[in-house]
Order: sequence, then C-alpha cells, then structure tokens
Amino acid sequence: AQTVTQSQPEMSVQEAETVTLSCTYDTSESDYYLFWYKQPPSRQMILVIRQEAYKQQNATENRFSVNFQKAAKSFSLKISDSQLGDAAMYFCASGGSQGNLIFGKGTKLSVKP
Amino acid sequence: ETGVTQTPRHLVMGMTNKKSLKCEQHLGHNAMYWYKQSAKKPLELMFVYSLEERVENNSVPSRFSPECPNSSHLFLHLHTLQPEDSALYLCASSQDWGTPGSGYTFGSGTRLTVV
Repeated sequence: AQTVTQSQPEMSVQEAETVTLSCTYDTSESDYYLFWYKQPPSRQMILVIRQEAYKQQNATENRFSVNFQKAAKSFSLKISDSQLGDAAMYFCASGGSQGNLIFGKGTKLSVKP
Repeated sequence: ETGVTQTPRHLVMGMTNKKSLKCEQHLGHNAMYWYKQSAKKPLELMFVYSLEERVENNSVPSRFSPECPNSSHLFLHLHTLQPEDSALYLCASSQDWGTPGSGYTFGSGTRLTVV
C-alpha cells in the first residue's frame, strides 16, 4: 500500500523569503509520480509541480522546486520569494500504475507581510 | 466551460433528506473520482469511475450512491446521512485511470453540512 506523510501541520514564512515543505512517501511500485497540490481558500486543488520517479533531475516550476531523494523516499517542496498568494494548504501526493493518487494530510502555509 | 465544475457549492441537509452532488468536466478525461475531505484527515478516496464504469469503491457506506451516466458527468446521491458525513466533497478527473502521470484536475468541492 502507498502512504504519504507530511510531518508539518503548519508552516510560516516571511514574504520574499524561502520555505521548504516536507513530504515522505512509501510505495512498492517502481514507476510512480509525485505531486504537490495547493488548496487556497477557494478550495480548488491546483497542481503546483509534478515529478516522475524515474527522472533524477528535480522538477522546477518558476518559484517552486522540489528536492527528490528517491532512496530516502523524500519529496520536499521549496517555495522561493514567497508571496502572499502562496498562503494555502499544500498537499503532497503519490500515484502509480494502480491509478489512484494518495494524499498526505497537508501543510498549512502562512505568509507574513 | 473548461475544468471541473461542482454544484452546489454549499449544501445543508437533514439526516432524512435525499440530495445529489453534481460534477461535470469538459476536459475529455476518461476517469472521474469522488474524494471526501474532513478536517485534519487525508483526502479519502470514495469512488473511481473509468469509462463510465465503477472501478473502485473504498468501503463507502451505502448511504452514498455514485452515478456516472456519461464520461463528462458524475453524481453522488446522498440519503440518510449522519452528522459525521459533514465534509468537503471533491470531484476530480484524469485523462485515464491507471496512468497518473498527468495528475488530477479538481473541482472546487461541495461543502456539505448534515444537521
């Protein structure tokens, strides 16, 4: 069975600073994908970034990047130059050939002006 | 209209009522999902439909009844609910079931309160 663990229920960052959200996962599949989703107060889950497990290069999307450590089964999200609009719940998710995404409990990120 | 649309946005219902949640996608996706999101819990997968056939039911009580009349629409029929069923119900879609590479596209959810 797949599991996803986010050990930080809440995080806070100063505007323009950098913050890292942690995620560890466990899967028996050899081919899988990892995701970070953002859920703002509007409630819609928005895909932030995606990593294919067979790619060693860490994914990057503008101010968002990941640190993918496959052996350690770690997949952290780094947000650079944090903006007020980054305040949201962030969910880490894992998905394999069995088709379903498994989500962590989420980390609530606050951004201080 | 693009993306995944869920209606209603909010729903308050009594324990003896019958109501339905609606989800609609115009992305050409073949798989659709119902998730339950409760406070301080991981998202719970409820049902999965692939090409209009239910492929997964994660031990969901029978008071929740899904329906997928076509690949663009997904319903969740509710009856005789309990207060603990109050939660945010999220619908999602993906290109195909079993190929998670593209991730899911989510709707904004229905906030359900059972009184």
